[in-house]
Formats: sequence, structure tokens, C-alpha cells
Amino acid sequence: SQQGEEDPQALSIQEGENATMNCSYKTSINNLQWYRQNSGRGLVHLILIRSNEREKHSGRLRVTLDTSKKSSSLLITASRAADTASYFCAVIQGAQKLVFGQGTRLTINP
Amino acid sequence: EAGVVQSPRYKIIEKKQPVAFWCNPISGHNTLYWYLQNLGQGPELLIRYENEEAVDDSQLPKDRFSAERLKGVDSTLKIQPAELGDSAVYLCASSKRTGGDETQYFGPGTRLLVL
Repeated sequence: SQQGEEDPQALSIQEGENATMNCSYKTSINNLQWYRQNSGRGLVHLILIRSNEREKHSGRLRVTLDTSKKSSSLLITASRAADTASYFCAVIQGAQKLVFGQGTRLTINP
Repeated sequence: EAGVVQSPRYKIIEKKQPVAFWCNPISGHNTLYWYLQNLGQGPELLIRYENEEAVDDSQLPKDRFSAERLKGVDSTLKIQPAELGDSAVYLCASSKRTGGDETQYFGPGTRLLVL
């Protein structure tokens, strides 16, 4: 079963705009991770945020975590065409098993 | 540093035929994962190895799927016989060790089409 649920399922914006994707999960977590997947490629780890952190930055990426609402958001600022990809959140379930959501398909229009 | 290598990248077979996928993890990574990814979905874990030992194979359909990692390096995932519903992308990933904080590095995947 998939733990995380991303919202929206698809997002299309103009280059230069900011993109925000949300993830909700069901159980208590130690950390939450975000991955990117370009079409036809494997997943690439973007950022990990621990349960005791509320916000984390990496370049143009900003991740927030609200453990009381069991939700996280990924913000990509000043989007570029190369950001077109699917974005997945993932949490650890049980014995070190990483469980992914269904992903948000992001399209950046030139 | 070379990434996770998978082959073949694409495979088309007829149902009831066997198929095998190969994965070479990043050098020095003790933990290896096989995931199944259906179209429009996130990856789902099939099996996790720590060195040669399969420590989590609870999601592996053992009636038709098998996997091995004999020397704790390369791994092979096999399906015999393949069914139409097995059409998907099979992803291999590796990490230095098992742990919630460990980053998993993914290969490009093998896209399987069963006709």
C-alpha cells in the first residue's frame, strides 16, 4: 500500500513561476524524502527532512513538514523547463521500507 | 562514480515466457532494492538485500518471481512465467547501508512489455 499521497496529481505552469506540491501521509515518521523522476529515468533523491525539522532548503527547493497534519510540501522557485518531471514523496514504513506516493507530474511550459 | 546500472533497458516478451533483469549497484553499497513501478504510480518495493541476504521479500510474488544476489554485488530478478499484468518498469536501487536516513540511488530501470 502506498503511504504518501501527492496533490495535485498533475501541475502545469509557466517557466519562471513557482511550483508547489503537497504530500500527505498516514503514520508517524522519522523523516520524509522527496525524489524526482524524469521521463524514462530512475528516481533522483532531492531532499530529506527529519520529523523534528519544519523547513529545509536546497537551492531552489524548499520543503516544509507539518507532523501535526501529517503533511509536507515541496516548493520549486523560479521554475525551469528542466524541472519538468514527476515528483514523489516517500516515508519509511515498518522495518526500513521506503514507501512512495503516486507522484505529482509537473510540466514547465516555456 | 558510476551510478546503478541496469540491463536491458527495454524488453518485449510474450506471456508465459521467462525474463530476467540484471542490476549492478554502486560500488561499496551493501543494500540493494528491486522496485516495481506501474504507469502513473510510485515505485513499490519487491525485495531488499543486505549483502547477500534477502531481508525483506514480503512483496515479492514468489510463485513466479525470484531474485538472487549471490556475491553481494550484482543482482538478478527473474519472472517465470510472465503474465500480461507484469508489464511495468522494474527499478533497481542501492544504498550504502540500510537505514531511514540513507539515500537510495536508482538505476534507469527496465521497461517490460508482456504481449
